[in-house]
Amino acid sequence: RKEVEQDPGPFNVPEGATVAFNCTYSNSASQSFFWYRQDCRKEPKLLMSVYSSGNEDGRFTAQLNRASQYISLLIRDSKLSDSATYLCVVIGNYGQNFVFGPGTRLSVLP
Amino acid sequence: NAGVTQTPKFRVLKTGQSMTLLCAQDMNHEYMYWYRQDPGMGLRLIHYSVGEGTTAKGEVPDGYNVSRLKKQNFLLGLESAAPSQTSVYFCASSYSGGWTEAFFGQGTRLTVV
Repeated sequence: RKEVEQDPGPFNVPEGATVAFNCTYSNSASQSFFWYRQDCRKEPKLLMSVYSSGNEDGRFTAQLNRASQYISLLIRDSKLSDSATYLCVVIGNYGQNFVFGPGTRLSVLP
Repeated sequence: NAGVTQTPKFRVLKTGQSMTLLCAQDMNHEYMYWYRQDPGMGLRLIHYSVGEGTTAKGEVPDGYNVSRLKKQNFLLGLESAAPSQTSVYFCASSYSGGWTEAFFGQGTRLTVV
């Protein structure tokens, strides 16, 4: 089993839609979680950290379920500019490095 | 405003040739990383460093070597390039390991023919 798994995608949604991405991780000792965004042929950039209590940043909401080892990202009112690959990231190796999921690609259509 | 800078941006190598990829960061970060990204595989950690003079192996270290002689620089070497090393290579740095944001360079597209 891979350390971090994500919905395979791609997700093609119309503008204004709500879309949710799921991520599962295998290391129950993981303590830190992130969502990164990667545009085509660009470097990954931090979208948001994921806190135990869940957190929201504008149209984006991240949730963590430690018991199920599951992380989610909800995007409301999708914009064309949200089209990208979303990477689930889990801290690994006693906090020294980042373990990336394979990513889920989102295309928001006009 | 430089952040993390990688050189070169593109490179084509012949099988068996060697090369060094340079990563430089100006944020005084302790931690630096080299990842490779292949279609369908996501980002995989090659080597990383938790401070000047230190290096450690990641998930896919074979065929690569690294050095961190200065805090701001992290070098990735390919001693004898193979077609399987065709990939996009990303360098990243962070202040406090996996507990803080990782900042990435723009990537190096390497093709080995």
